[in-house]
Amino acid sequence: NAGVTQTPKFRILKIGQSMTLQCTQDMNHNYMYWYRQDPGMGLKLIYYSVGAGITDKGEVPNGYNVSRSTTEDFPLRLELAAPSQTSVYFCASSDSGASTDTQYFGPGTRLTVL
Amino acid sequence: DAKTTQPPSMDCAEGRAANLPCNHSTISGNEYVYWYRQIHSQGPQYIIHGLKNNETNEMASLIITEDRKSSTLILPHATLRDTAVYYCIVRAGYSSASKIIFGSGTRLSIRP
Repeated sequence: NAGVTQTPKFRILKIGQSMTLQCTQDMNHNYMYWYRQDPGMGLKLIYYSVGAGITDKGEVPNGYNVSRSTTEDFPLRLELAAPSQTSVYFCASSDSGASTDTQYFGPGTRLTVL
Repeated sequence: DAKTTQPPSMDCAEGRAANLPCNHSTISGNEYVYWYRQIHSQGPQYIIHGLKNNETNEMASLIITEDRKSSTLILPHATLRDTAVYYCIVRAGYSSASKIIFGSGTRLSIRP
């Protein structure tokens, strides 16, 4: 049981490039989340999904897109990378959306946009 | 979701109990108190959560005041591996997705 895995671990992009951050969980969780963490700050929610085919915006969705075609995968897409998107990105999953449910986090992807 | 207030940093001697405070004065009746921690460069790790009763697990204890306006996370015998940023979070009762809103947390340093 690997939990939540993310790829790549590190990436450097040029301004205007696009990329997809991959996230996979093997716990059969319905809920998945994408967060970003800027240096010295807490995490901010970008997008979340309550199940395959259903996604919704979080606090900071601009510049990102997501899809959820399967229960396991929740990729995050950056279409036109900007320096403001330099951050560490964490994916998480939980069994339900209830406040009593624990979120499990992946190891993160460190992205630099130059 | 209610907001939380935590000291930005604390330190504790190795082997002693680390007591991390959190204020959540606007907490409502169906909101749970959660604690996560983040060790350098890693994803956040769940520690413990509670509603109104004190809770204990293999990692820590959570003490919630009777009025629920504040709580304390206790690491009973701190080790160097407990050096991390600790986040206190309150989460609403059931919703379509009870999102975790992270603040800035408390940076806990354990000294040898």
